[in-house]
Amino acid sequence: QSALTQPPSASGSPGQSVTISCTGTNSDIGGYFYVSWYQHHPGKAPKLLIYEVSKRPSGVPDRFSGSKSGNTASLTVSGLQAEDEADYYCSSYAGNNVWVFGGGTDLTVL
Amino acid sequence: QLQLQESGPGLVKPSETLSLTCTVSGDSITSDNFYWAWIRQTTGKGLEWIGTIYHSGSAYYNPSLNSRSAISVDMSKNQFSLELDSVTAADTALYFCTRQTCSSSCNFDYWGQGTLVTVSS
Repeated sequence: QSALTQPPSASGSPGQSVTISCTGTNSDIGGYFYVSWYQHHPGKAPKLLIYEVSKRPSGVPDRFSGSKSGNTASLTVSGLQAEDEADYYCSSYAGNNVWVFGGGTDLTVL
Repeated sequence: QLQLQESGPGLVKPSETLSLTCTVSGDSITSDNFYWAWIRQTTGKGLEWIGTIYHSGSAYYNPSLNSRSAISVDMSKNQFSLELDSVTAADTALYFCTRQTCSSSCNFDYWGQGTLVTVSS
């Protein structure tokens, strides 16, 4: 069982928006603004999409956005495109130089 | 462009030690603010952070692995390595090496493609 809880799957049609949740505790997501999100196309290297809850690294489209409320973080993908079909993982700092991840969400573009 | 490449045996016997190496190209492993980490992906359990090391040798480990893991750096080869002792079938996973950049926060910003390790007799 992963430290952070994500829905195993999500889906949406091209052009729609989809939101993926990531639930933790007061010791990780709730305690720090250090939530990040990663996109993984199987067989390729995972990619950092969001860091510090809502910041995007250079080159990441603004269709990807992040937020946090209490112990739950969220990733929203707007204007879904076929290339967005991938696995998405959340991560949070958990204090004492420890990082935790979620179980991953398989996003399907219908 | 930074690249990371994992290497090591794809099959390890139960109770033995898993050993993997990550070769870093495109930047020096001794650059400031860059840490180096191992993360694994197990079937049905998502990603799991294993540990992180700085080129000075300071390292941090996932406490859930019960001190079975050790990460080291070889600056002369621009590589870092993972050893995981007393493996069981539960350690079967896709192992990734990553760069962890720490400024205002620490994030895993570059990843290798991963190497599959199966624990089986």
